[in-house]
Amino acid sequence: QVQLQESGPGLAEPSETLSLTCSVSGSSISNGHYWNWIRQPPGKGLEWIGSIYHSGTTYYQSSLESRVTISVDTSKNQFSLKVMSVTAADTAVYYCARGRAQWLADDAFDIWGQGTMVTVSS
Amino acid sequence: DFVMTQSPDSLTVSLGERATINCKSSQSLLYSYNNKNYLSWYQQKPGQPPRLLIYWTSTRESGVPDRFSGSGSGTEFTLTISSLQAEDVAVYYCQQYHTTPWTFGQGTKVEIK
Repeated sequence: QVQLQESGPGLAEPSETLSLTCSVSGSSISNGHYWNWIRQPPGKGLEWIGSIYHSGTTYYQSSLESRVTISVDTSKNQFSLKVMSVTAADTAVYYCARGRAQWLADDAFDIWGQGTMVTVSS
Repeated sequence: DFVMTQSPDSLTVSLGERATINCKSSQSLLYSYNNKNYLSWYQQKPGQPPRLLIYWTSTRESGVPDRFSGSGSGTEFTLTISSLQAEDVAVYYCQQYHTTPWTFGQGTKVEIK
């Protein structure tokens, strides 16, 4: 079955760049789904960060767009997230998730990774 | 941005009783061209990622028990658990995918009385 796994440093320093990767197994990342990043600050709700298609088409949360880049590496079946100039407010569990239907950007998220906790602190 | 507001923030229900969670969108989630409401529901248990329960307002994801049902249209939506089970203790989120940025409700915590 399709599985997603986030990886990356659990600690980032203020003003630095946070980098995470989501590895997709059990399916090709080029099979028509959109791939998403979503985060959840400790004890709080969910915030969609952005999504990417295998072609490289991206959509971003408007409040984060100036600091966020999502990219895809089809050869490695992975997609990645970079958040620049991080502050304590970026401390969160970061999830990657698949868009449910093929060929549609606007759909629910049906498969999630387990999430990775990133703490921004010096 | 579309603002999603859930009520109540928390809910305590006896085992076997009905639990109802409401979700209100600041704008309509209905596209007239396909008559679909772009609304989903998720369940999140402690230490776990969210799990998709319902999409297109009322379509249950594969494997989701039929005690979970969704309804509504436009700006008002409801998730109903017809007979609460112990394993349903969780936080529930609604989410709109009508217009980016996709946004979630603040969550409703469901507990056993």
